[in-house]
Amino acid sequence: DTGVSQDPRHKITKRGQNVTFRCDPISEHNRLYWYRQTLGQGPEFLTYFQNEAQLEKSRLLSDRFSAERPKGSFSTLEIQRTEQGDSAMYLCASSLTHSNQPQHFGDGTRLSIL
Amino acid sequence: QKEVEQNSGPLSVPEGAIASLNCTYSDRGSQSFFWYRQYSGKSPELIMFIYSNGDKEDGRFTAQLNKASQYVSLLIRDSQPSDSATYLCAAVNTGNQFYFGTGTSLTVIP
Repeated sequence: DTGVSQDPRHKITKRGQNVTFRCDPISEHNRLYWYRQTLGQGPEFLTYFQNEAQLEKSRLLSDRFSAERPKGSFSTLEIQRTEQGDSAMYLCASSLTHSNQPQHFGDGTRLSIL
Repeated sequence: QKEVEQNSGPLSVPEGAIASLNCTYSDRGSQSFFWYRQYSGKSPELIMFIYSNGDKEDGRFTAQLNKASQYVSLLIRDSQPSDSATYLCAAVNTGNQFYFGTGTSLTVIP
């Protein structure tokens, strides 16, 4: 399978714990995006990378959130000191270089905060 | 004002009919537009993209773009129950930011 891969598919954790998600993009895609989606809403942009460089971060991305793409391939999204409001589906997408290129999504990681 | 707006629906059409899904965008300079389908509990799946004014057809799907009216639509011909899903419209604005609408829920009734 050469699509976007996310791990884990589901994560249940207690409030205050740290969590980390991984995304493996389509191999020839330079751009990698992270989104958050809650029920009844469209995906909300969090951040994106061009190769290993993090080019933009949304105001939604508080200091508790950090993302990396150290070698320009896979990416991780970490949430520290999780809160109830962090419960959502976290989606990763990848695309070719230009902003007008279609993004292809992984299956997402569903985070539930107890 | 939201960057991309859609009627949340739900939109119900009988099997075999044409489903028409609409989307408006606020940034007049937006150049690229996308339609995604999302089944419940699944991730968005790209259906079509359109960059130029006019119609673009792909099988049963037709995307329509009217930049003067800042309007994008998706027509689904010969709707099937398997088309029942939420349809997300997305646009890339002049800041090269990718924005999604909240989605329109479509139900195709057998």
